[in-house]
Amino acid sequence: GAVVSQHPSWVICKSGTSVKIECRSLDFQATTMFWYRQFPKQSLMLMATSNEGSKATYEQGVEKDKFLINHASLTLSTLTVTSAHPEDSSFYICSARDSIITDTQYFGPGTRLTVL
Amino acid sequence: QKEVEQDPGPLSVPEGAIVSLNCTYSNSAFQYFMWYRQYSRKGPELLMYTYSSGNKEDGRFTAQVDKSSKYISLFIRDSQPSDSATYLCAMSWAGKLIFGQGTTLQVKP
Repeated sequence: GAVVSQHPSWVICKSGTSVKIECRSLDFQATTMFWYRQFPKQSLMLMATSNEGSKATYEQGVEKDKFLINHASLTLSTLTVTSAHPEDSSFYICSARDSIITDTQYFGPGTRLTVL
Repeated sequence: QKEVEQDPGPLSVPEGAIVSLNCTYSNSAFQYFMWYRQYSRKGPELLMYTYSSGNKEDGRFTAQVDKSSKYISLFIRDSQPSDSATYLCAMSWAGKLIFGQGTTLQVKP
């Protein structure tokens, strides 16, 4: 149980275009999902917390207009990188929390974004 | 000082060895403690979670928490080459997870 999927697993796009990444909880309902960014050989950096039916909460330094998050249902959250630039190239990982008691998060497999 | 400190390694051990991975933390408000395993270019996989001081065992893995010393450990018995990965400790607070830097483990056949 507790499976989280992400799509696509990798994407290459041109500078200036937008890219949408989907995160789905497959076997549980997640009122809260999280989006992380990870650079090579570094730990995960939380970008934003996404709550179903409400606006996302962004971490300090994360541009909300650049990284649009939508959590329209209990099983789906999307991250759209708008007007992507090469510096946005990174590994993006989502997670879903299955319990508000333990704060346990289950992670998706990640999406590798390369902006040319 | 970071809230969670974890030696990044790398740690290299022979197959069959007992591995000890550790994290220290400074915030006594942390309630839940987790260990994740991350293979290269993959998302983290939850290995263990615990919330009280003491030991929790699952197969070859044992998670240990010492809240008085603000110290957590993950022990891997009979380590296998397939255990080669980065291990991240994580602690929950205010609805978020605070991660350690991750320890890279290599188990040599």
